[in-house]
Amino acid sequence: GAVVSQHPSRVICKSGTSVKIECRSLDFQATTMFWYRQFPKQSLMLMATSNEGSKATYEQGVEKDKFLINHASLTLSTLTVTSAHPEDSSFYICSARDLRTGKNSNQPQHFGDGTRLSIL
Amino acid sequence: RKEVEQDPGPFNVPEGATVAFNCTYSNSASQSFFWYRQDCRKEPKLLMSVYSSGNEDGRFTAQLNRASQYISLLIRDSKLSDSATYLCVVNTNAGKSTFGDGTTLTVKP
Repeated sequence: GAVVSQHPSRVICKSGTSVKIECRSLDFQATTMFWYRQFPKQSLMLMATSNEGSKATYEQGVEKDKFLINHASLTLSTLTVTSAHPEDSSFYICSARDLRTGKNSNQPQHFGDGTRLSIL
Repeated sequence: RKEVEQDPGPFNVPEGATVAFNCTYSNSASQSFFWYRQDCRKEPKLLMSVYSSGNEDGRFTAQLNRASQYISLLIRDSKLSDSATYLCVVNTNAGKSTFGDGTTLTVKP
């Protein structure tokens, strides 16, 4: 089945550091990938939709200058948390749909393993 | 009102019990439906798609009621390993996915 890989799985760094998270579709091409954030005991929150070759679409309330998204190829999207602060500590998860077997609206999302970000 | 609503639980059941979760959705143009499970501190994993005629995968049965706009997940003969949060996901025909907040299940020995 479709596999999405996310790296790194865990990041601990000082306040003010910028952190880059990679999301790769390993066995399929993804023109669209999704970035979520999840705080403890809360539901997934969609941050942005990453579009290959064009600008990402951000959800309301998500600062695009804070969370930089680059989707330069059909298998890789990156999320950079710029000048991270303790309040950015969270679980970041990416996902993508495998469209080889059907149209977009009928396909489930496949998630990466997630990145647990801790800012000291 | 949320687009996708689930009873947050928690559901605490003994091993071997049968448990059912419901999920309601408000967008009548919803196209496809899924159940995911999410273990603590892990990513969501696809459990099963939900088809109009209903579908079964081992101890798990999913059903869709378009008229009443809800989907359900039935787990028979619960195992300790079934303890997790179960997420209902609804896709619109435009490809947008909406997640429920999840229902927490704890299966106890």
